[in-house]
Amino acid sequence: KNQVEQSPQSLIILEGKNCTLQCNYTVSPFSNLRWYKQDTGRGPVSLTIMTFSENTKSNGRYTATLDADTKQSSLHITASQLSDSASYICVVSGMGFQKLVFGTGTRLLVSP
Amino acid sequence: DTAVSQTPKYLVTQMGNDKSIKCEQNLGHDTMYWYKQDSKKFLKIMFSYNNKELIINETVPNRFSPKSPDKAHLNLHINSLELGDSAVYFCASSQDLGDRGSGELFFGEGSRLTVL
Repeated sequence: KNQVEQSPQSLIILEGKNCTLQCNYTVSPFSNLRWYKQDTGRGPVSLTIMTFSENTKSNGRYTATLDADTKQSSLHITASQLSDSASYICVVSGMGFQKLVFGTGTRLLVSP
Repeated sequence: DTAVSQTPKYLVTQMGNDKSIKCEQNLGHDTMYWYKQDSKKFLKIMFSYNNKELIINETVPNRFSPKSPDKAHLNLHINSLELGDSAVYFCASSQDLGDRGSGELFFGEGSRLTVL
């Protein structure tokens, strides 16, 4: 069964600290993986896309990694800011799939 | 200009009523979607249209009926609303379908439906 699991479910960190969110997937065959950020009351917005051959990709203070062998991805946030408080959703696309497989999301709260 | 816009943003209604949510995208995308986000924030696909053709039709009660008059619009009509229909409904669009191309989804701001 094609699934995407994210951990932790929720996370609270102090402003300025770093954190890492995890995404494990069983989608096969794999096409690409995206991380989305969803602010409260808004629609999700894409942060990064990772394809099979990519190990690391950065977008400002966000760095995503992908290990296609273990089917794991992580999203590392450096020097967190209050505006990073949001839900982060991992979405995997499979080869030949019409549907994207969504993770359950991680709710991050950055506290002052 | 807003890329994907949906109206209304908030909708409060009584059980048994019929309501519609409208969505428009100005990105020139071929594919549009409706997603339902429940109280646990999990996004679940409901429908997908590609060039006005229904591509994905998940196990959704037939009280939900999507309509795509053209590829820039995808509306959602809900008949006989039930308490369990309360959720946030997101419209989205993408240039490609599924795994073709990058598949980036562009979401609207969501429509929060509350059924009393």
